[in-house]
Amino acid sequence: AQKVTQAQTEISVVEKEDVTLDCVYETRDTTYYLFWYKQPPSGELVFLIRRNSFDEQNEISGRYSWNFQKSTSSFNFTITASQVVDSAVYFCALSFGGSNYKLTFGKGTLLTVNP
Amino acid sequence: DAMVIQNPRYQVTQFGKPVTLSCSQTLNHNVMYWYQQKSSQAPKLLFHYYDKDFNNEADTPDNFQSRRPNTSFCFLDIRSPGLGDAAMYLCATSRESAGNSYNEQFFGPGTRLTVL
Repeated sequence: AQKVTQAQTEISVVEKEDVTLDCVYETRDTTYYLFWYKQPPSGELVFLIRRNSFDEQNEISGRYSWNFQKSTSSFNFTITASQVVDSAVYFCALSFGGSNYKLTFGKGTLLTVNP
Repeated sequence: DAMVIQNPRYQVTQFGKPVTLSCSQTLNHNVMYWYQQKSSQAPKLLFHYYDKDFNNEADTPDNFQSRRPNTSFCFLDIRSPGLGDAAMYLCATSRESAGNSYNEQFFGPGTRLTVL
């Protein structure tokens, strides 16, 4: 069975603080993809990153960075120097192969960045 | 510039009155998805179309149906909405090919359904 756990339900930080959102996943597949999506108050899910199971290289995109560790089945997301516009719900998700294109989402982490 | 469009953004219906939600896309993606998202919960996949092939999730109630008349459009029909069907309904698309099912899904802004 596929499962994604985001243990942090809510996080509140002050602007310019760094914040890390945790994601732990479970899968028996050897080939899978991990995703992060951002859902601002407007409701639209915005794609942030995709990482395949064979690529453990960490990635940085501006203030965003992702740390993928297969040994701990984790795919954590760090926002450096957070801004108010980063306030949103962030979802980690897992996709697996075969004929099923289903995304298994975690329950999401509500990030509030206060000025 | 819009890629996945959902209409309307807000829909109010009465208990038991059929309602249809619409989704269109300009990405020419071959897979379209419908998700239900209730307050403070993760999106839950209801079904998806791979080209013209309909794929229903095992736990999707029979009350929910879908139509895809062409590549660009997909509809969600709720035959007899109950109070428990009040939620945000998200449409998504992706481009998939045989043996490659890992492409990112692009989401629309959602339709928030209220059932009175």
